[in-house]
Amino acid sequence: DAKTTQPPSMDCAEGRAANLPCNHSTISGNEYVYWYRQIHSQGPQYIIHGLKNNETNEMASLIITEDRKSSTLILPHATLRDTAVYYCIVRVGSGNTPLVFGKGTRLSVIA
Amino acid sequence: DAGVIQSPRHEVTEMGQEVTLRCKPISGHNSLFWYRQTMMRGLELLIYFNNNVPIDDSGMPEDRFSAKMPNASFSTLKIQPSEPRDSAVYFCASRGDSSNSPLHFGNGTRLTVT
Repeated sequence: DAKTTQPPSMDCAEGRAANLPCNHSTISGNEYVYWYRQIHSQGPQYIIHGLKNNETNEMASLIITEDRKSSTLILPHATLRDTAVYYCIVRVGSGNTPLVFGKGTRLSVIA
Repeated sequence: DAGVIQSPRHEVTEMGQEVTLRCKPISGHNSLFWYRQTMMRGLELLIYFNNNVPIDDSGMPEDRFSAKMPNASFSTLKIQPSEPRDSAVYFCASRGDSSNSPLHFGNGTRLTVT
């Protein structure tokens, strides 16, 4: 079972920041937060992951609360191509444990 | 890097026929995962391999499903006999041996069983 809770859908205006929340109140100390997205008709795509520090890469920023019970994925300037289902997943950082996907958030970027 | 390559991209078959889905992971990756996606159940893990050895096949729905990884560069998922309820998109993914390596997915095989 997925250990995360996400809103089923969100809208964002093109050019604005998209802030996607995720609750993971039962996260363990050795579990990382991963974000993937799935654009229609494609396989899921890795975006970013973190343990407790905020992370940023060329795609997005990940903000994790101090108690690690929730996080927010930020797409700073959303474009129409960012329309996708976004999945927040928690996973132990060691070994080859698989990712367990929940239902995700369907983000619609609107022109 | 060509990424994870799956074939065929689409497969339409009749109930009772054997179906074989193929996957070529990214070179150097030592873990391979098979997922299935449907509207009703979302993305489900079927089976995964580490260094060509099946680690967990508890997600395989029933004995009609089997998966093999004869070498590090090739895996198959076979359904025999196929049934209409097997219609779904089947994804293969691979990951390197670093514990935090991201999972790389192929573009899937859309299976339709009539």
